[in-house]
Amino acid sequence: DADVTQTPRNRITKTGKRIMLECSQTKGHDRMYWYRQDPGLGLRLIYYSFDVKDINKGEISDGYSVSRQAQAKFSLSLESAIPNQTALYFCATSGSTGELFFGEGSRLTVL
Amino acid sequence: RKEVEQDPGPFNVPEGATVAFNCTYSNSASQSFFWYRQDCRKEPKLLMSVYSSGNEDGRFTAQLNRASQYISLLIRDSKLSDSATYLCVVNWGGSYIPTFGRGTSLIVHP
Repeated sequence: DADVTQTPRNRITKTGKRIMLECSQTKGHDRMYWYRQDPGLGLRLIYYSFDVKDINKGEISDGYSVSRQAQAKFSLSLESAIPNQTALYFCATSGSTGELFFGEGSRLTVL
Repeated sequence: RKEVEQDPGPFNVPEGATVAFNCTYSNSASQSFFWYRQDCRKEPKLLMSVYSSGNEDGRFTAQLNRASQYISLLIRDSKLSDSATYLCVVNWGGSYIPTFGRGTSLIVHP
C-alpha cells in the first residue's frame, strides 16, 4: 500500500461546485502539504500543516481551505470551484530530514 | 518572495552524453536542498539530497555552492530512462518549507 494516499485520483466537476480532495498518510509524519501543479509552472504550495493544530497558508491559498483532521489526514477543499483551478494536485508529507513523500496526485477538471 | 529558478529546457541529448542542470535560489538562509525526478503525470520522487560537500550516487552528482547560491545536478552516461523532468527543491529556515523550481526537462534520445 502507498504511504501517501490521495482520493479521488480524478474528478470532473462544474463551476461553483464544492470539491474536497483527501489525503492520508502512514509515514507518521507531522508535516503535510498541498501543492498544485500546472504545466510550465512547477509545484506551488497551497497550504501546509506542521501538526494537527498548525495550519499555514502557502503561496496560492486564495480559493482553497484545508482541514487537518488527524496527524494522518489533511484535506483540501475548493468551496466554489472555478475553471482556473483545473490542475494536478499533490499531497505530500515530510519528516525531520525534509525529504518529501508524495501521493499519486488528484487530477481536477473544472468545467 | 523566495525564488527558486531553473532553466526549463528541454535538454535534448544523445544516449551516453553528460548533462548538467543548475538551480539558483534567492534566500541565503536556505537550509536544505534536494533534486527530485518527475515522470510525466506522475508524482515527484526524491533523486538526491544535496550536501554542502557534494555527493554522488552512481551516475548522478549533486553539488551546492552557497556563496553563489546555486545547486547543480550532473548526469553522466545518460540513459533513455533518464528522460524526465528534474525538480530543484529548497527548504527555507528551520521549519522546512519546501519551495520548488519549475523543473528542467531532459530528453535522452538513441
